[in-house]
Amino acid sequence: NAGVMQNPRHLVRRRGQEARLRCSPMKGHSHVYWYRQLPEEGLKFMVYLQKENIIDESGMPKERFSAEFPKEGPSILRIQQVVRGDSAAYFCASSPLPQGRAYEQYFGPGTRLTVT
Amino acid sequence: AQTVTQSQPEMSVQEAETVTLSCTYDTSESDYYLFWYKQPPSRQMILVIRQEAYKQQNATENRFSVNFQKAAKSFSLKISDSQLGDAAMYFCAYRSVSSGATNKLIFGTGTLLAVQP
Repeated sequence: NAGVMQNPRHLVRRRGQEARLRCSPMKGHSHVYWYRQLPEEGLKFMVYLQKENIIDESGMPKERFSAEFPKEGPSILRIQQVVRGDSAAYFCASSPLPQGRAYEQYFGPGTRLTVT
Repeated sequence: AQTVTQSQPEMSVQEAETVTLSCTYDTSESDYYLFWYKQPPSRQMILVIRQEAYKQQNATENRFSVNFQKAAKSFSLKISDSQLGDAAMYFCAYRSVSSGATNKLIFGTGTLLAVQP
């Protein structure tokens, strides 16, 4: 069973460009979470999605950031008009449909975004 | 809102020795999960151990064990017989299981563990 896949692993964008980060959850997982890790910091929650539905976007910046998880295909985190402060590692995690109390979030390897 | 605090930015341990990493958290909830994640230089997040708040027994996974003190809101990680491969950043994390909770993980700022040969 392949793990959570993220691509690209490294992404370089100039200020003002758009960044698209992709996340393919583990097979059978219908829930996706995006986290951001700024340099020298811990991971911060951004958004939680089910297929075709945003459940919790309380951690998303109000402007320039959006996320989707379509019925078919990977989840996409989109950052428009990137600025240097967007440089970070972006992690995706997935989990199965919660059955009872115990389920894990499995993390992908992350995408390191560098804005020049 | 829940918070997680790791007060030790860096720790060091000799190979084969034991080290304890500290974590405290703040919550008004009575039911939740606590986790320790390891992030080696590859940056891959690896789950080390999980503790359910309603269980009094401390979780153990091979050389890794926790000391869960619910009243004190403390959740420390003990690594026994430290190995060079244990060198990594370690993150403590909290997840609510209350009704309406959205399953997000709340992370501390991490402790960088160095293992000396």
